Amino acid sequence: SYELTQPPSVSVSPGQTARITCSGDALPKKYAYWYQQKSGQAPVPVIYEDSKRPSGIPERFSGSSSGTMATLTISGAQVEDEADYYCYSTDSSANHRVFGGGTKLTVL
Amino acid sequence: EVQLVESGGGLVKPGGSLRLSCAASGFTFSNAWMIWVRQAPGKGLEWVGRIKSKTDGGTTDYAAPVKGRFTISRDDSKNTLYLQMNSLKTEDTAVYYCTTATYYYDISAWANDASDIWGQGTMVTVSS
Repeated sequence: SYELTQPPSVSVSPGQTARITCSGDALPKKYAYWYQQKSGQAPVPVIYEDSKRPSGIPERFSGSSSGTMATLTISGAQVEDEADYYCYSTDSSANHRVFGGGTKLTVL
Repeated sequence: EVQLVESGGGLVKPGGSLRLSCAASGFTFSNAWMIWVRQAPGKGLEWVGRIKSKTDGGTTDYAAPVKGRFTISRDDSKNTLYLQMNSLKTEDTAVYYCTTATYYYDISAWANDASDIWGQGTMVTVSS
């Protein structure tokens, strides 16, 4: 099976830059997607195809990918950005679709 | 506005069956690939399965833990997606989300799908 690895938690102060990483062997050839899930709510996509931002997502959210690691960056994190963040991608043959284990972002 | 509304969740005994529905609106459902994702209480997200649009073959694909027990289908005349769940196990207890799918074809021509718009989810509890 295929796995995507994320840190369990990241903590920053308001206004600082938060970086959440996602590592996976197939990422050099596959897009990464990022989802934000606030407590008690459904997930919302914040980045698709490594670095594209859906309409309505603030510009402080950006994504990048290099080698086997994708990164979600929140520049000037706000208290309202506190949430669980999940990366998602597929394995080399697209047989396995996998979410990372999730990263809890704390902004305080 | 794109809207997805799941229904049909509830309490079911191990070995039982349940059918979830997802009513779609605000987009051309018949052209859409659709995905089911689940989330066990206090746990992360898990991809369950996908159905392509009929024009793209209407084929389905499933995660290993549900293959052979779950079936995804669609009724384009009703703009509704279904998830038929049979032989339910306690580990199937989760919130089930219906999502639209975005997809791309990689250099090997494999279709890679990902969730886009999400419904609010419906809770399924499998317990005796």
